Amino acid sequence: KQEVTQIPAALSVPEGENLVLNCSFTDSAIYNLQWFRQDPGKGLTSLLLIQSSQREQTSGRLNASLDKSSGRSTLYIAASQPGDSATYLCAFPRSSASKIIFGSGTRLSIRP
Amino acid sequence: DAGITQSPRHKVTETGTPVTLRCHQTENHRYMYWYRQDPGHGLRLIHYSYGVKDTDKGEVSDGYSVSRSKTEDFLLTLESATSSQTSVYFCAISDRGENNQPQHFGDGTRLSIL
Repeated sequence: KQEVTQIPAALSVPEGENLVLNCSFTDSAIYNLQWFRQDPGKGLTSLLLIQSSQREQTSGRLNASLDKSSGRSTLYIAASQPGDSATYLCAFPRSSASKIIFGSGTRLSIRP
Repeated sequence: DAGITQSPRHKVTETGTPVTLRCHQTENHRYMYWYRQDPGHGLRLIHYSYGVKDTDKGEVSDGYSVSRSKTEDFLLTLESATSSQTSVYFCAISDRGENNQPQHFGDGTRLSIL
């Protein structure tokens, strides 16, 4: 059974710090992996989608990496800002395309 | 922001009543999804659609049905609501196959079944 773990569950850091969020999965045969953010009371916003053939993707201050052999993806946020405060989730499809597995998320708080 | 509208945004109803949630998109995306989000379970796929009148089950489809008669509308129906269906429901859309990875989400419908 494919499982996903996001560590830490919550993180609070002062503004300006660089930080790394982790997503670990048990099955290395994944097709792709996507990172989302969710603000309170809102739906998810797609941040980055990494294909299985890629090692990383970048968008502005965000960089996501994918290491299938170790079963791990990381989301790197540079120069964090209070507006980055949200819950960050990773998601990937099981072998059955109808089932996308979402991590439980990391709740990030950036202190001004 | 992607044009996704969920209605209603909030609903309280009683056990045994039928409930229909609507998702409307203005992006002309092919794929549409219904998820529920619950503490301790995260997001789980209920049903999805890959075109008009083409739908399939997700991992928690029991007790739910869907219909898609137009590209822009995807309806989720609880035929006889139960308390276990109290949840926040999200609609999502995508214009890419990508193994059913959703692309844009609506802001959710908070449904309470008393």
